[in-house]
Amino acid sequence: QVQLVQSGAEVKKPGASVKVSCKASGYTFTGYYMHWVRQAPGQGLEWMGWINPNSGGTNYAQKFQGRVTMTRDTSISTAYMELSRLRSDDTAVYYCARDLGYVAVAGTLGYWGQGTLVTVSS
Amino acid sequence: DIQMTQSPSSLSASVGDRVTITCQASQDISNYLNWYQQKPGKAPKLLIYDASNLETGVPSRFSGSGSGTDFTFTISSLQPEDIATYYCQQYDNLPLYTFGQGTKLEIK
Repeated sequence: QVQLVQSGAEVKKPGASVKVSCKASGYTFTGYYMHWVRQAPGQGLEWMGWINPNSGGTNYAQKFQGRVTMTRDTSISTAYMELSRLRSDDTAVYYCARDLGYVAVAGTLGYWGQGTLVTVSS
Repeated sequence: DIQMTQSPSSLSASVGDRVTITCQASQDISNYLNWYQQKPGKAPKLLIYDASNLETGVPSRFSGSGSGTDFTFTISSLQPEDIATYYCQQYDNLPLYTFGQGTKLEIK
């Protein structure tokens, strides 16, 4: 069965960077796009971008351009999301979510990781 | 950017009630709309994709309809386990997929 297991909670100071991992299992990692979505405390869902695990190609929401980097390591079926120049309003749960479409992005997030809480505080 | 307006923001209903949530897009998105359920402290779960297709394993009391700019999500007979927040999401407009603000559903 498809599983996405994310790394543990992080506490960072403003201005620092955080890198969250998402280890995939139960399917062909390079066959499905991976999205990242975040949720601030008590707030709604915010899409951040996707990575094509096969090519490494990425597509980021404009809001995060220049601060977010999505990468992958196909040898260990793991996707990463790094967010730099952290601010207090980046405090959120960060989710990886696998697209439903095979080979091509479908925009439908069919499988989700358990979430990683990133707290930004001085 | 396409804006998604979801209503109501909260809803209280009784077990067995028919529950309806709406989502309006700021421009035509064809049927590129999904619905998710999120229970407290959990990751979202896909319920409906392409506006009206039920995801595998999702109970048939959940349904979706609509196209263009106006969409509806319905629970035909509310069950206690349906208590959650529900989100619509459009995927017509790259490079930004947007979610609605969410509807928090409670039992009366």
